[in-house]
Amino acid sequence: ETGVTQTPRHLVMGMTNKKSLKCEQHLGHNAMYWYKQSAKKPLELMFVYNFKEQTENNSVPSRFSPECPNSSHLFLHLHTLQPEDSALYLCASSPRGEGLKEQYFGPGTRLTVT
Amino acid sequence: AQKITQTQPGMFVQEKEAVTLDCTYDTSDQSYGLFWYKQPSSGEMIFLIYQGSYDEQNATEGRYSLNFQKARKSANLVISASQLGDSAMYFCAMREGFGNEKLTFGTGTRLTIIP
Repeated sequence: ETGVTQTPRHLVMGMTNKKSLKCEQHLGHNAMYWYKQSAKKPLELMFVYNFKEQTENNSVPSRFSPECPNSSHLFLHLHTLQPEDSALYLCASSPRGEGLKEQYFGPGTRLTVT
Repeated sequence: AQKITQTQPGMFVQEKEAVTLDCTYDTSDQSYGLFWYKQPSSGEMIFLIYQGSYDEQNATEGRYSLNFQKARKSANLVISASQLGDSAMYFCAMREGFGNEKLTFGTGTRLTIIP
């Protein structure tokens, strides 16, 4: 089982649809993250969860709604998205409380909003 | 101001040659960490190497080394003996402060290894 998995890998949705992205980590980490990667832009942090509690919301529009039911699972619920929300959405996890440690990323979900 | 600057949008390097990918950073914190990630076409970000601001020696991981020049706020990645599989996007990132999980990424450099 790979460290961080994401489903689906590809998603096409209309602006009126509701969908969810799922992330699961098998590394025993306590912190999980959602990032957005748009073409020709730096990776943007969206949300951070520590021990299931949201600790960072980087001014993300309310049409993106995260959920972290436990330390191993992270969801990103999507509704009434815009075409400019098309991007690669990456999930990551890291151990908490160990100082400056790397984050482990999943393969991402390629989202296209039509 | 940009926190992380990668000035090389693309690079082409002959196989087996060494390559240096540039990264400069901007922070007023004394404690920070610098990271390099590789992103192949599959999309996954792969951690390569880490340098802490208090580390006196340059970090090395196999063929990867980080040329850390603190006074110049520079953290260049050096890949020795490049291989075709090194072709990918490379991102420099920084974490500011101790215990802060937030990573700030640069815009990346697309490295292409030529056979």
